[in-house]
Amino acid sequence: QSALTQPPSAPGSPGQSVTISCAGTSSDIGFYNYVSWYQHHPGKAPKLLIYEVSQRPSGVPDRFSGSKSGNTASLTVSGLQADDEADYYCSSYFGSNNWVFGTGTKLTVL
Amino acid sequence: QVLLLQSGAEVKKPGASVRVSCKTSGYSFTTYYIQWVRQAPGQGLEWMGWINPTSGGTKFAQKFQGRVTVTRDTSINTAYMDLSGLKFDDTAIYYCARRGASYAFDSWGQGTLVTVSS
Repeated sequence: QSALTQPPSAPGSPGQSVTISCAGTSSDIGFYNYVSWYQHHPGKAPKLLIYEVSQRPSGVPDRFSGSKSGNTASLTVSGLQADDEADYYCSSYFGSNNWVFGTGTKLTVL
Repeated sequence: QVLLLQSGAEVKKPGASVRVSCKTSGYSFTTYYIQWVRQAPGQGLEWMGWINPTSGGTKFAQKFQGRVTVTRDTSINTAYMDLSGLKFDDTAIYYCARRGASYAFDSWGQGTLVTVSS
């Protein structure tokens, strides 16, 4: 199973919105509604932001939202803040208790 | 509070084996699968596999099959990941994570750096 494809970088200015894409296939993102997104500040543990395509765990601000269309999922970060600068990874379940991660996107707050 | 506490950094020679432990607290250990994920330097997250703490059943991504073993000790709520035949490109931060009620990893350990060096 190949890694899901994400853009390497996503720049944005404070207060603006940024959308990060995550391209998969009809066997993973396109088949299952089990896409999740993680925020990873280097040196820290990854943090779950979104699960089941668009659900937010308690404590995650509603500035973070997820969606899916066909074989591609997206994470939108609204009202960008300096602390949002981090690496973001998507992940998808693809059956038989298997998971795959995306290639990762570095979000830069200009 | 759900916590996953991993063992400390390791330096190993090529061909050796390494064990990383993941001690959990704050929830019922046998309720949720423990997943293992690694991140090589400059690379992204890579899913390795999981253990079912109740049954001890495991599953691994194809590239790790035959080299990785994951076990657990339910008496101390701890999972262990053993990686054998270490190669230079096994140098990475290894994370354990709890697969929550959804198909997502909702709590993570702090990571364990494994360095393979001659």
